[in-house]
Amino acid sequence: AAGVIQSPRHLIKEKRETATLKCYPIPRHDTVYWYQQGPGQDPQFLISFYEKMQSDKGSIPDRFSAQQFSDYHSELNMSSLELGDSALYFCASSYLAGDTGELFFGEGSRLTVL
Amino acid sequence: RKEVEQDPGPFNVPEGATVAFNCTYSNSASQSFFWYRQDCRKEPKLLMSVYSSGNEDGRFTAQLNRASQYISLLIRDSKLSDSATYLCLGGIWAAGNKLTFGGGTRVLVKP
Repeated sequence: AAGVIQSPRHLIKEKRETATLKCYPIPRHDTVYWYQQGPGQDPQFLISFYEKMQSDKGSIPDRFSAQQFSDYHSELNMSSLELGDSALYFCASSYLAGDTGELFFGEGSRLTVL
Repeated sequence: RKEVEQDPGPFNVPEGATVAFNCTYSNSASQSFFWYRQDCRKEPKLLMSVYSSGNEDGRFTAQLNRASQYISLLIRDSKLSDSATYLCLGGIWAAGNKLTFGGGTRVLVKP
């Protein structure tokens, strides 16, 4: 079965550079979530989209923005990167009308800021 | 106070034993809960959803206690392969609402 696809899997950037992460949800899923997981921490909610509209926002820095496109894929744009942005970024998708609305996670994009 | 909290452990469990741990939540309106398993540097993988009446999937049993605002996970007949971090995820399920992870409980099953 198709899963959530994230790209790139690994990304190395310098401080103050910009990075873009992409997420392709499971087909038919209408909701996308972004989480950030730092070393030794649990995943922290950043932002979510339902039917291409921003739904909820968590601890996402102003330097970050995200959107969901007409084909339901989502992109997380990060500018003026800081060392502390180094983390694993997970995208998850779910289907609102599903039985219990479980989130299914992609394998993550590992961002290293030097 | 964090919205969702867990005992970080580690819980050191002899192979074949039973282990149980909880996850507390602060928002009484939360109604959607899940248990995920995360192995080192990998994505969280869904273990099971938590239903209000409690549910079981093989060696795993999940319970929800609304009065005391916690969910629990019990693992019977622990296997070495059960060693992982177990994350609870909870919140108000509606159109992409924020769902929050607990800090994770580390379980180490030893021979």
